[in-house]
Formats: sequence, C-alpha cells, structure tokens
Amino acid sequence: DAEITQSPRHKITETGRQVTLACHQTWNHNNMFWYRQDLGHGLRLIHYSYGVQDTNKGEVSDGYSVSRSNTEDLPLTLESAASSQTSVYFCASSAVAGANEQFFGPGTRLTVL
Amino acid sequence: GENVEQHPSTLSVQEGDSAVIKCTYSDSASNYFPWYKQELGKGPQLIIDIRSNVGEKKDQRIAVTLNKTAKHFSLHITETQPEDSAVYFCAARLLGGGADGLTFGKGTHLIIQP
Repeated sequence: DAEITQSPRHKITETGRQVTLACHQTWNHNNMFWYRQDLGHGLRLIHYSYGVQDTNKGEVSDGYSVSRSNTEDLPLTLESAASSQTSVYFCASSAVAGANEQFFGPGTRLTVL
Repeated sequence: GENVEQHPSTLSVQEGDSAVIKCTYSDSASNYFPWYKQELGKGPQLIIDIRSNVGEKKDQRIAVTLNKTAKHFSLHITETQPEDSAVYFCAARLLGGGADGLTFGKGTHLIIQP
C-alpha cells in the first residue's frame, strides 16, 4: 500500500548540530509539506514543495531548509539546531495543487538539548 | 495571512451525547475548511471537509457547518463513542492560491466519558 513515512521517529540532538529529518511518500504526490506541532500553537507550516526542484517558505521557516531532488522525498534540515526547535515534526503530501486532502506521516519527535 | 481560532481547547462529554467544536477564520478569501482528527502518537487524519460554496456537509455521525458571512465553521459529532476521543483540528486554506499549506487552529482535546 502507498504510504508516507518519516524517520527517525525520535531524535535527541545538541544545540548547534545539523539535523536532517526524512520524509518519503510512495503515492507519487507532487505536493509535500512540513509542519511543526507545539503545545498551544497547533500545527504550523514550515516549508512546502509543489514538485521537483521547487521549494517555498511557510509561516515558520527561519532556521530550516528543504530540498526536493525527486518526487518521493522532502528532507527537512535544521542547519544549527536550537532549543526552540524542540517539537514534533509532521510531513504531509497531496496529489496536485489545490487538492483537498493532505495525508500526514506519523511524525518525528525532536529534542534539542 | 490567515488566522484560525478554535474553541474550546478541551471538551468533555458523556458517551452518547453530542459534541460541537467551533472555529473562526480571518481571511474572507479562504474557501476550503477541513477537519482533522489526531490520535495519540499519530499524524492528523482528515475526517471531513467543506468548501465555501456549501453551507453544511454530513458524513454519518459527523457534520460540518459553515457561515461565510460570520467567517466561522463548526464540527458536530452526534452519538459520541469512546473511539471519538482524540484531538481535533480545524484548518483553512485558499484553494488555488499561491500557498497550499493549511492554517490550523490550536486543537480541541475531546474526551468521551463512559
């Protein structure tokens, strides 16, 4: 069955280190998204992509970057991790621009010490 | 940008009773309003959505209503069951607009009391 996966599911890192969170979907969806979820804030959009080589900033993009070299993957990189980036990160995908449903992955819990 | 307010943050109801969660949005151009359910340790999952050209939509025990003039929409769950216990998020988006990401409310923790 097609699915969207994230790895690792849990990560502990130190302030200043570079961290990359993986997102992989097998639906061949064009659109992919990264959100972070924090208590009291709900889910907030970090970056999104409409296709290969396309990336766009979301509401809370500072300190994060993404790259889209193929349809299936959209890795999220924290260039220099900060304690404020401790959060649960969700990747999502949808079929085409304006498509109704976004399908979410299981999430990655990141702790920055 | 869009801002979505969601109330209440926690809702406890007796099994079999109805639950109502309300959201307001700020951008009158938003035209798509999904509701997601998130169970513990999992990602959000779409349960129902509505477009701005429709005032109400039902799917079995779940319904969503939209008031475009007042810029608010609500989720209604009837005959609640234990498996309805979860966190529910409303969201808004401008379909066909430049930014395809969803703007979420802060969530409602629904507790079904046996």
